[in-house]
Amino acid sequence: GIQVEQSPPDLILQEGANSTLRCNFSDSVNNLQWFHQNPWGQLINLFYIPSGTKQNGRLSATTVATERYSLLYISSSQTTDSGVYFCAVPDMRFGAGTRLTVKP
Amino acid sequence: DAGVIQSPRHEVTEMGQEVTLRCKPISGHNSLFWYRQTMMRGLELLIYFNNNVPIDDSGMPEDRFSAKMPNASFSTLKIQPSEPRDSAVYFCASSQTGFYGYTFGSGTRLTVV
Repeated sequence: GIQVEQSPPDLILQEGANSTLRCNFSDSVNNLQWFHQNPWGQLINLFYIPSGTKQNGRLSATTVATERYSLLYISSSQTTDSGVYFCAVPDMRFGAGTRLTVKP
Repeated sequence: DAGVIQSPRHEVTEMGQEVTLRCKPISGHNSLFWYRQTMMRGLELLIYFNNNVPIDDSGMPEDRFSAKMPNASFSTLKIQPSEPRDSAVYFCASSQTGFYGYTFGSGTRLTVV
């Protein structure tokens, strides 16, 4: 199956900082999604982004399918952005995630 | 829309007992997924259904685990007999065909003592 690698594994930011999370995948995909798991364990779908760029408020995502990676950008981070960010590829297999901690 | 509904939210059981986890997908979604999340192994896909038919159960850890989807609005994941290493959070998710509109339930935290 497709292998998914996310980096960095952990990220600590000061409130207001920007960050970029990366997801590499081992084969062509026609589906890629980003999720946020908040500190209470709830998993929220952020983006469905098999290719191109999408934006939703302070978050945006870009997938370059030909180069097999996707990026999640968080601008002006807030403490509520803390949690684990996952990317998932076809058949919804997840990477190990990036744990983000935003400090006030 | 009430979202994906899982029950129970928490389950504590003794080793050797049968455990049944339940999931009601979003109406109109025709794909349903079961996941297990642990610190050691992260989020693992156990099985997924499309139009009530199991498509891929390669993630089911062993014969003690079984999943059914008797109709479009209900699925169960059963563990029999349960073991302490089955302790985890089990998530159910549903989506429209093609993985679009993917939504997770709140999960069931299972503890086997």
